[in-house]
Amino acid sequence: EDQVTQSPEALRLQEGESSSLNCSYTVSGLRGLFWYRQDPGKGPEFLFTLYSAGEEKEKERLKATLTKKESFLHITAPKPEDSATYLCAVHRYSSASKIIFGSGTRLSIRP
Amino acid sequence: DVKVTQSSRYLVKRTGEKVFLECVQDMDHENMFWYRQDPGLGLRLIYFSYDVKMKEKGDIPEGYSVSREKKERFSLILESASTNQTSMYLCASRPGTVGWSALVSEKLFFGSGTQLSVL
Repeated sequence: EDQVTQSPEALRLQEGESSSLNCSYTVSGLRGLFWYRQDPGKGPEFLFTLYSAGEEKEKERLKATLTKKESFLHITAPKPEDSATYLCAVHRYSSASKIIFGSGTRLSIRP
Repeated sequence: DVKVTQSSRYLVKRTGEKVFLECVQDMDHENMFWYRQDPGLGLRLIYFSYDVKMKEKGDIPEGYSVSREKKERFSLILESASTNQTSMYLCASRPGTVGWSALVSEKLFFGSGTQLSVL
């Protein structure tokens, strides 16, 4: 069965303390893996798409990487404004609509 | 920038009422989605539409229906609201997958969500 698991559920860091969020997936035929950021009371906002193992993408303090079984979202020297829930989602080849979301990691950065 | 607009930010309804949630996108996207988001469960797909008047059931369609009479508008209907339909509802859109774009995965553009409470 297709599945996306994110860990940890919640992460509290001090400003400047780097860390990584994990997204493990099992899906038959990965078409793309997405990372989204969601602020409280708002819809998810797109960050990255990764297509194949070994691919990496960066945006400011965030870097996303992909292997055949998992993806990491590395956050380097985070700031309080990076506090949000980070969602991982996978899209498989067999269906235009089948995008499976993980339940997210709530990231909190203390000043 | 693509804009996906959901008509209500907060909605309070009574059990048994018929509820309409409206979503409009301004980028001529073929695909539109309705998700619900509950704590610990992530986003779950209710319905998907890949073209005007075309729809496909998602993972949790029971108790819901949809309407897509125009390309830019996708409506979610709760036929008879129940307390277990209290949730955050998110609408999303993206371009259709034709030709080269069928080989890549297009990102979703989300609305701000509607927090529905059914009492």
